[in-house]
Amino acid sequence: EAEVAQSPRYKITEKSQAVAFWCDPISGHATLYWYRQILGQGPELLVQFQDESVVDDSQLPKDRFSAERLKGVDSTLKIQPAELGDSAMYLCASSLAGNRNEQFFGPGTRLTVL
Amino acid sequence: SQQGEEDPQALSIQEGENATMNCSYKTSINNLQWYRQNSGRGLVHLILIRSNEREKHSGRLRVTLDTSKKSSSLLITASRAADTASYFCATDAMDSNYQLIWGAGTKLIIKP
Repeated sequence: EAEVAQSPRYKITEKSQAVAFWCDPISGHATLYWYRQILGQGPELLVQFQDESVVDDSQLPKDRFSAERLKGVDSTLKIQPAELGDSAMYLCASSLAGNRNEQFFGPGTRLTVL
Repeated sequence: SQQGEEDPQALSIQEGENATMNCSYKTSINNLQWYRQNSGRGLVHLILIRSNEREKHSGRLRVTLDTSKKSSSLLITASRAADTASYFCATDAMDSNYQLIWGAGTKLIIKP
């Protein structure tokens, strides 16, 4: 069964350091999402890609966060510099086309900022 | 912004009993989805119900949608220990550029 891959699974960093997360969606899925999930809350969309183009990044803190999907396949989410409040689970998901379809999630990256 | 709100926040029942979770939302939607999240498998899609549908079944799951009340319910029948997880509703709201907006979830515990 095809799955969304994410790495690393866990990341511990000190504040002001840079961190990067990688996601490889299910093959053929044009839409890719990055979410942030704080413990006890639902996922919050950070950025949505359609192929290599950003469709929605209204909730992405652009002063420190960046995301790219250069070839329309895998994607990288970067935080620089990391802050204590960035500690959370970062989830990547993909879907066939937009939000009308189910989203398939990766296992997530648990980020702890010290 | 939070569109969906699940109720209750937490639910603990005996194995074999039925579990009902509710989701309310604020604006008109195209569809509503339910997802399950546990530590073992992450977030998994359970069922999608479109705004023109009123009820949908999938195995032991039954979802209803009442667009006049802007609410949905998820019923899990004959619960099992493996159903222990958090359950989230997510709505595709018409006025949010079709962004999928998630509630805070219901934490379900099935006691053996």
